[in-house]
Amino acid sequence: AQTVTQSQPEMSVQEAETVTLSCTYDTSENNYYLFWYKQPPSRQMILVIRQEAYKQQNATENRFSVNFQKAAKSFSLKISDSQLGDTAMYFCAFMKLQGAQKLVFGQGTRLTINP
Amino acid sequence: DVKVTQSSRYLVKRTGEKVFLECVQDMDHENMFWYRQDPGLGLRLIYFSYDVKMKEKGDIPEGYSVSREKKERFSLILESASTNQTSMYLCASSLGTGVPGANVLTFGAGSRLTVL
Repeated sequence: AQTVTQSQPEMSVQEAETVTLSCTYDTSENNYYLFWYKQPPSRQMILVIRQEAYKQQNATENRFSVNFQKAAKSFSLKISDSQLGDTAMYFCAFMKLQGAQKLVFGQGTRLTINP
Repeated sequence: DVKVTQSSRYLVKRTGEKVFLECVQDMDHENMFWYRQDPGLGLRLIYFSYDVKMKEKGDIPEGYSVSREKKERFSLILESASTNQTSMYLCASSLGTGVPGANVLTFGAGSRLTVL
């Protein structure tokens, strides 16, 4: 079975700073997907970024980028130039490449961006 | 954009009541999911469905059942609600296969259930 661990329950930074959220996972699979989802205080969960494990290049989406270390089973999210609207719960999630497309989530990190 | 609609944002029920949580998606997605969200535990999968009338247990199916009679609708049923089922319930759907991004889950706004 796969497990996902987010070791930082809460983080807080000042607006415009860069922040990195940590995520580690455990799996015996060789090919899989990794995701970061964001859940703002309004509760609608939205996709931030997605990484295919067979791609060596780290995914980026505007101010969001990941540091994917396959051998270390680590998948951190970096938010550059943080904005007040980045305040949210962030969840790291794992999905196997084959079979049922179900996500396995970490515990979440509550990120607060302060003005 | 895909829309996943959960019928109730907030519900308050009594112990022993039968509870129905409804979820509808409008983009012909094959897969639908019910997750439960609790502080410190993240999201845990209760049930999922990859086709009409098909269902599979997730990680915490005990005390729950599901129904998918139509492709767009996936219902979560608590046969006899208990206080330990007080939680936030999130429905999600995904296209399935065939195009890049087909495995991305789209979530509803959530249903906050309180069982007294």
